[in-house]
Parts: sequence; C-alpha cells; structure tokens
Amino acid sequence: ETGVTQTPRHLVMGMTNKKSLKCEQHLGHNAMYWYKQSAKKPLELMFVYNFKEQTENNSVPSRFSPECPNSSHLFLHLHTLQPEDSALYLCASSQVGRTNYEQYFGPGTRLTVT
Amino acid sequence: AQTVTQSQPEMSVQEAETVTLSCTYDTSESNYYLFWYKQPPSRQMILVIRQEAYKQQNATENRFSVNFQKAAKSFSLKISDSQLGDTAMYFCAFDQGAQKLVFGQGTRLTINP
Repeated sequence: ETGVTQTPRHLVMGMTNKKSLKCEQHLGHNAMYWYKQSAKKPLELMFVYNFKEQTENNSVPSRFSPECPNSSHLFLHLHTLQPEDSALYLCASSQVGRTNYEQYFGPGTRLTVT
Repeated sequence: AQTVTQSQPEMSVQEAETVTLSCTYDTSESNYYLFWYKQPPSRQMILVIRQEAYKQQNATENRFSVNFQKAAKSFSLKISDSQLGDTAMYFCAFDQGAQKLVFGQGTRLTINP
C-alpha cells in the first residue's frame, strides 16, 4: 500500500448521471493530482493541487470538476460524461519542496460510462 | 514539449534472468528527474527507482538499476534475478520539477516460471 486510497474502486454510470470520485492520502503531503489512464495511451495529468489550490488544469473538459477541501482529500465530480471518458482514474500525492518529486499513487477507480 | 518513449510494448523472460527495459525522452531542460514506476495487475502504481539528471552515478535499488545516458536521453531499467512478482506494467516517467509527470506508454513485462 502506498498510503493513498481511492473510492469507489469501480463505477458504472450513465451519460446523464452525476457521481464523484474520492481520494485520500495519509502521508502528510501537500500536493495532490488526478490522472487519467486509458487503454493504450500514456497516463495523462488532469489536475494539480498545491496546498489546496489548483495550480494546473491540463485542458480538461468542464464535465470533470475537481475539489480539494484540504490537503488530505481530493474529489473529482463527474457529470454528463461521454463513453470516451471510460478509463482508470488515478489519484496521487507528493510533498512539494522535497527534491525527489516522487509521487505516490492510489489504486485507481475504474470508470465505465454507458 | 517533453515526450517519453518506451519502444517495447511487451517483454517476457524466464524467472532468474536479467531483463532490460528501454526508455528515451526528449527535453531541452538540463535539470530534471526520471522515474520508473511499476503497475502490477492489482493496479497500484509503485515507484521502482528514480534518477536526478545532475547525478552522473546510475541509481540502484536492490535488483533494480538504471543506465542513464544524459547525452543520448536514454534511461533504461535493468532487473536482475527476475522474480514472478516483477510481472507488471512498467512506466518510465519524466519530471522537470514542475510537478508534471510525463509518462511513456508502458512495457508489459511477464516473468515466466
């Protein structure tokens, strides 16, 4: 275990549904990230939060809405998704200011949009 | 833009053999970090090894070592005495320090008994 947990592990939703993914880190880190992992594509960085402030939005469609209420929790709110949004969504955390820039990943949420 | 290329989509070796996974990257930066991550079938991504670009010495972690060739922009991973538990997807990743990890497409490694 890496100290980063994600719920749910699997999610099936219709295109008109609204759902949320949750991530929690138990490592005392001050930065959190959302990545999308699609089949046969490299991991794509979606959002970066430093000290609860969003510092990166990698041209992600507005149907994905992140929320970071504190440095230990990160949410990804989903609405009006498309079938091509089906993927594994990974959360990660790291300690900004350290020199190794190592990110710790959660197990992911497998999302299927029907 | 930085790019990371892993030219071996799949590899397969026998247990106890040595295997080398290749990775090349493209950047105009001089200071950056390189990582190898492992993603076993259970899906949790785990850091295997990291290398700071300013360090000439190749990083090692037990059975895992890298061959870092900065001029050639090459960063290969060598796994010695491979074990069944090494079966996983391996991702090479690049970070210039802006918290934006750029990943390669991965190499699926299978260790056969």
